[in-house]
Amino acid sequence: QKEVEQDPGPLSVPEGAIVSLNCTYSNSAFQYFMWYRQYSRKGPELLMYTYSSGNKEDGRFTAQVDKSSKYISLFIRDSQPSDSATYLCAMSPTGTASKLTFGTGTRLQVTL
Amino acid sequence: KAGVTQTPRYLIKTRGQQVTLSCSPISGHRSVSWYQQTPGQGLQFLFEYFSETQRNKGNFPGRFSGRQFSNSRSEMNVSTLELGDSALYLCASSPRGPRGSHEQFFGPGTRLTVL
Repeated sequence: QKEVEQDPGPLSVPEGAIVSLNCTYSNSAFQYFMWYRQYSRKGPELLMYTYSSGNKEDGRFTAQVDKSSKYISLFIRDSQPSDSATYLCAMSPTGTASKLTFGTGTRLQVTL
Repeated sequence: KAGVTQTPRYLIKTRGQQVTLSCSPISGHRSVSWYQQTPGQGLQFLFEYFSETQRNKGNFPGRFSGRQFSNSRSEMNVSTLELGDSALYLCASSPRGPRGSHEQFFGPGTRLTVL
């Protein structure tokens, strides 16, 4: 079983919908949680970064971390066709800041 | 500020050969990490360098190695290539000091195909 599980999708939603992307993890040592967006033929781009439990909002994006359930989420409001990409969750424990463990990614398609 | 650059962008090699990939981090970033991305396994951590020293290492065989130069540029080398080494190799740089940073900035990657 992988340390980080993520539904690969694809997830198809109409423009303007609210998108919910999720990851579960098994390593209770994870303290830092990130969401990356990756367009085709590009490297991942950091979207959101949170420490421990709680919510963080940035524009149309909201990241939630529930450490008691080992569950993290990314919500995208008012989704746009330009949001069509693969979304990767990533996490790491304190002390090994640069050694990220990634989910396999969820492919999102926002249709007109 | 220029982003992370990786060269070459595409590479085709045959089994048994070796390959060297290059990464130039964002100016001022001293930490460079390497990842392998495949459809089946996703992104997997290879190793991280800071101030020319390997700081962390993932679970890859010794055929995978790397180094970092005094200007923070980094190279990774794969010897005795296998078909399973076909992947997108991503380099990421981080701005923080010796304790590392969770804010990693990725380059576009080098697509390696092993025939």
